[in-house]
Amino acid sequence: KAGVTQTPRYLIKTRGQQVTLSCSPISGHRSVSWYQQTPGQGLQFLFEYFSETQRNKGNFPGRFSGRQFSNSRSEMNVSTLELGDSALYLCASSPRQSGLEQYFGPGTRLTVT
Amino acid sequence: GQQLNQSPQSMFIQEGEDVSMNCTSSSIFNTWLWYKQDPGEGPVLLIALYKAGELTSNGRLTAQFGITRKDSFLNISASIPSDVGIYFCAGHTPAEDMRFGAGTRLTVKP
Repeated sequence: KAGVTQTPRYLIKTRGQQVTLSCSPISGHRSVSWYQQTPGQGLQFLFEYFSETQRNKGNFPGRFSGRQFSNSRSEMNVSTLELGDSALYLCASSPRQSGLEQYFGPGTRLTVT
Repeated sequence: GQQLNQSPQSMFIQEGEDVSMNCTSSSIFNTWLWYKQDPGEGPVLLIALYKAGELTSNGRLTAQFGITRKDSFLNISASIPSDVGIYFCAGHTPAEDMRFGAGTRLTVKP
């Protein structure tokens, strides 16, 4: 089975721009979660989707949003980028509704200049 | 609260030695997960624990879900150079929020 795939792998954006990241879960997985990883804050939960519905949301500003499509693929969007948004954005999929046993993709490295 | 305290932050060991790391919290967790992350990659799930007291092995790795549901440990026996990386504990709270420890950076000297 193919693993979780994320595109693009690397991205450089300018402050004020917006960005959309994509995640394709493992086939058959319907739960997708997004995380932000930085050296200072570690892994922080952004949101979780199951069957196109957001089940959980972390403590991030409204500039961070996401969605899930009927084929379980997910996108996250960050608007009005700030320098502090530079991070590795990880997507994880799970075969279970509650999102347990999460399998991570390789991440998208976002650099905001 | 529901934060995970992972220790040690880093370890430098000789190839062949055993390794032990742990995670603790002041709150209970319903699951404990252990991940390994290599540079530039996403975390890879090593072991998942679902019941208090559960002891599970995956090759040279062994992890246990503490009986108080507030802690977990991961042991690596007979370490090898490819064990190098950052190990994260994670857990699901009763509200099904997932929390991560800050990670243990393992260095193995040949």
